[in-house]
Amino acid sequence: NAGVMQNPRHLVRRRGQEARLRCSPMKGHSHVYWYRQLPEEGLKFMVYLQKENIIDESGMPKERFSAEFPKEGPSILRIQQVVRGDSAAYFCASSTRTAAYEQYFGPGTRLTVT
Amino acid sequence: DAKTTQPPSMDCAEGRAANLPCNHSTISGNEYVYWYRQIHSQGPQYIIHGLKNNETNEMASLIITEDRKSSTLILPHATLRDTAVYYCIVRVVLRGSSNTGKLIFGQGTTLQVKP
Repeated sequence: NAGVMQNPRHLVRRRGQEARLRCSPMKGHSHVYWYRQLPEEGLKFMVYLQKENIIDESGMPKERFSAEFPKEGPSILRIQQVVRGDSAAYFCASSTRTAAYEQYFGPGTRLTVT
Repeated sequence: DAKTTQPPSMDCAEGRAANLPCNHSTISGNEYVYWYRQIHSQGPQYIIHGLKNNETNEMASLIITEDRKSSTLILPHATLRDTAVYYCIVRVVLRGSSNTGKLIFGQGTTLQVKP
């Protein structure tokens, strides 16, 4: 039973480029969450999605960041025009509908902006 | 949601029980206590949760005081692989699918298991 999968594991982008981070939830999980961990800082909630719906995006920066979880395929976190401050580990988690706080995390994507 | 307080760091000898405390003195009746851990550079890992009764699973035990103002996560036989940051999180759990799903991670307790 595969866990939460994230790819790529490492991503290097130059300033101004776009970054696309992918997350496939655990089988049977319909809810996806994205968190960000800046260097030497704690984990911060970004967004909570169900299929084709954004439920809570209160932690998303207002500009350049977007997330989707389409009917088919993985969830995507998209960062446009990356800046050095976007360098961080981005973790995706998933849960069932009724156990929203029992989340299973992926290994993360380490984004480095040069 | 109730605020939690944890010691910043603890040491434990390998093979001994690790007891990690968490204070949540403002917890309300419908708030659950969740524990997660993050081993260096990995994604966080769910450990256990409870409301008011003590809970045990294959990873750990959770002891919640009768007044629910504090709890202790117990790793019965700590190994070097248990070295991690442990997070105590309190959340309101609503019936069905009405929960926000937002986990708020504080600073946690860095547990160092020593040989």
